[in-house]
Amino acid sequence: GAVVSQHPSRVICKSGTSVKIECRSLDFQATTMFWYRQFPKKSLMLMATSNEGSKATYEQGVEKDKFLINHASLTLSTLTVTSAHPEDSSFYICSARVVFNEQFFGPGTRLTVL
Amino acid sequence: AQSVSQHNHHVILSEAASLELGCNYSYGGTVNLFWYVQYPGQHLQLLLKYFSGDPLVKGIKGFEAEFIKSKFSFNLRKPSVQWSDTAEYFCAVMGSQGNLIFGKGTKLSVKP
Repeated sequence: GAVVSQHPSRVICKSGTSVKIECRSLDFQATTMFWYRQFPKKSLMLMATSNEGSKATYEQGVEKDKFLINHASLTLSTLTVTSAHPEDSSFYICSARVVFNEQFFGPGTRLTVL
Repeated sequence: AQSVSQHNHHVILSEAASLELGCNYSYGGTVNLFWYVQYPGQHLQLLLKYFSGDPLVKGIKGFEAEFIKSKFSFNLRKPSVQWSDTAEYFCAVMGSQGNLIFGKGTKLSVKP
């Protein structure tokens, strides 16, 4: 099946710094990638939809100036958490859509903000 | 807005027991439904999916799910679980943008 990678898998940063997370589709092109956030013992919540060559569409309640998404190519989308705070600590997961009704998930990135 | 509810937070079974995990969705129109599994330390993997046709869907690793439109349900079943099935299971419905709307997940622990 299609493979999606995320880098880094884990990151620890100080409060106030910015962190960039990469999501790559390794063996296919994805015009659409999704970014989800998973809280402990809770479900995955969609943060934003990233479309290649255009601005991301953010879900209600997600600060677009804090969570910057760039989808510069058909195989790469990045999520930058700007001025990170401890409450941003979470598990961030991306997925890449192959066809309309099928997507593959990355392994996730564990962000810890001290 | 569409939503998905999973009834069981944590299910504990012995090996060889039968499994049924409940999933209900809120949308009454055409739905695309999924079950994903997340093994400890691993990424989400697709178990099975339903788009149309036969409401009994067979997936990988012996799992199956039945779409019952009248009950808005898509329950996951396996006749005989193994220790290696220990994982978290997520039911999901596709949203209007092609994103997935997940239930809160059910943790399955299988005792050897």
